[in-house]
Amino acid sequence: GQNIDQPTEMTATEGAIVQINCTYQTSGFNGLFWYQQHAGEAPTFLSYNVLDGLEEKGRFSSFLSRSKGYSYLLLKELQMKDSASYLCAVREANAGNMLTFGGGTRLMVKP
Amino acid sequence: EAQVTQNPRYLITVTGKKLTVTCSQNMNHEYMSWYRQDPGLGLRQIYYSMNVEVTDKGDVPEGYKVSRKEKRNFPLILESPSPNQTSLYFCASSLTSGRRETQYFGPGTRLLVL
Repeated sequence: GQNIDQPTEMTATEGAIVQINCTYQTSGFNGLFWYQQHAGEAPTFLSYNVLDGLEEKGRFSSFLSRSKGYSYLLLKELQMKDSASYLCAVREANAGNMLTFGGGTRLMVKP
Repeated sequence: EAQVTQNPRYLITVTGKKLTVTCSQNMNHEYMSWYRQDPGLGLRQIYYSMNVEVTDKGDVPEGYKVSRKEKRNFPLILESPSPNQTSLYFCASSLTSGRRETQYFGPGTRLLVL
């Protein structure tokens, strides 16, 4: 089984940088995903990490440390449309590569 | 357009009345799964399917059934719905169950069981 923790809510200012942390415990780590979910909509894929280090994709970057069971999503140059929930999900090798989600972090971007 | 579709999008029903939520994908994906999303609990997997006629339980399978007779369809069946199954349901698919494969989510079905 897995245990995935992320903050419930965060607030940031338009134009700023925000870091959303995710810690996890798993017996068979096989990759970590970040998804974005606007209220009432389906989650959409943001990033994937399986090796240690930083993956950059435009304004969004994701970092992974497997030894620490830790990841973060970094959002730069925040825009109002970035107000959404951000879901951390860990893939476990032992369960059909099942994806287990954290509770999500609701980010509010203020002017 | 590549997509995952679900029907219905919204459903109000009563306890004990059998219902089916359909899920269909047009991307020839092998892997399909069902999740429910509840406030404070995040997305939890109900069932998944690695391919046609291959299904397995996720974290919260009680009270649900699935079938995978064709590659494109993966219906979720609630034989006797109860109020604790009131939730937002998402179907998702990916090309395979490979570790790099991202899942594509349907638009969601909001279910209320009275």
